[in-house]
Amino acid sequence: QSALTQPASVSGSPGQSITISCTGTSNDFGSWHLVSWYQQHPGEGPKLIIYEGSKRPSGVSTRFSGSRSDNTASLTISGLQAEDEAHYYCCSYARRWLFGGGTQLTVL
Amino acid sequence: QVQLQESGPGPVKSSETLSLTCSVSGGTFGSDYWIWVRQAPGKGLEYIGHIYYTGSTHYSPSLQSRVTISVDTSKNQFSLTLTSVTPADTATYYCARAPTVTGYYYAMDVWGPGTTVSVSS
Repeated sequence: QSALTQPASVSGSPGQSITISCTGTSNDFGSWHLVSWYQQHPGEGPKLIIYEGSKRPSGVSTRFSGSRSDNTASLTISGLQAEDEAHYYCCSYARRWLFGGGTQLTVL
Repeated sequence: QVQLQESGPGPVKSSETLSLTCSVSGGTFGSDYWIWVRQAPGKGLEYIGHIYYTGSTHYSPSLQSRVTISVDTSKNQFSLTLTSVTPADTATYYCARAPTVTGYYYAMDVWGPGTTVSVSS
């Protein structure tokens, strides 16, 4: 079972919006499409920012949003800020968890 | 509020067995999955396996021949054992929780700080 496919890197300027895609097979996502997204700053552990594909945990900025289309999940960050520069990982649950390879976001 | 803390032996030699424990505080085991994830230096997150409080387990296909995850509800701990380690198993190992009934459904909402394991040849 290979990792979900994410772009290795994306970049954007402050104030802009970016979208990170996460692609897999129907087996990778399962019937419930339980996708979560994690943010990881250098030297820190992962932080949950999206669950069930599009829901935000308490305390997570509304600038983060998630969506899905067939076998692709997406994370959009609007109004980019310098503090958003981090690695982002998608993750799906289908009887076991499967991570994407991760995307480095650079804020120019 | 649930908190997790990994503990382990530090450096390990090739071919030995790695054992880690995750201590759970501020909550109980019921209705949640308890997960091990690792991250090799400069690499992405890798799911290792998980356990339910009943003892039911699932493992990553790439590691399942070497991995055992167990739970001790009396001590509020769950553990990871990885046999026949090699330098490729050098990583930061995280334990995490994923709720299955209420809260952040099947997402890893609580993580331990991670423990670094170095495997020497």
